[in-house]
Amino acid sequence: NAGVTQTPKFQVLKTGQSMTLQCAQDMNHEYMSWYRQDPGMGLRLIHYSVGAGITDQGEVPNGYNVSRSTTEDFPLRLLSAAPSQTSVYFCASRVDRGNEKLFFGSGTQLSVL
Amino acid sequence: EDQVTQSPEALRLQEGESSSLNCSYTVSGLRGLFWYRQDPGKGPEFLFTLYSAGEEKEKERLKATLTKKESFLHITAPKPEDSATYLCAVQASSTGNQFYFGTGTSLTVIP
Repeated sequence: NAGVTQTPKFQVLKTGQSMTLQCAQDMNHEYMSWYRQDPGMGLRLIHYSVGAGITDQGEVPNGYNVSRSTTEDFPLRLLSAAPSQTSVYFCASRVDRGNEKLFFGSGTQLSVL
Repeated sequence: EDQVTQSPEALRLQEGESSSLNCSYTVSGLRGLFWYRQDPGKGPEFLFTLYSAGEEKEKERLKATLTKKESFLHITAPKPEDSATYLCAVQASSTGNQFYFGTGTSLTVIP
């Protein structure tokens, strides 16, 4: 099992550009989520999904879009990148049984100039 | 307001010098408290889940405990390979059953 796979590992964007961060998991997990990690702050939830076709907003959703067309994939879209979106992004999944642990990907380091 | 506070922010230990990391929380309806380890450039890796006050979990040199207001991660006789950032997260009804993370404790173990 590969677990949770994120691509790309690194990305540099100019302000106003758009891009999609990819996330795929092969554990048949119903729940998937996106977090951002910034220095001095805990991981903050951006969006999450409890199953294919179902998405919801987390703590910091502005400037990001998600969709969930399959159980395996949960891409995160930046429509018009801003310097405030410079961060490390993590995708995480879990079996949707309430208080189960999260499995994380290796992260995408994004810089917006 | 829901809060998860970890202390200290950073900790340097000599190899073999035992210590504890603290995670204090203020949430309603705790469903679980989670400890993760994060190495530089990698995603967090699960260590423990604690569900109720009084519960303890152990793994090698690590032992996690839980009270109604805080959790401790005890590190006994640490080795350099224990150097990492340790993250605490809570899942509670007041957080919409989502995970709320602390800022972490960066541990350095010096040979």
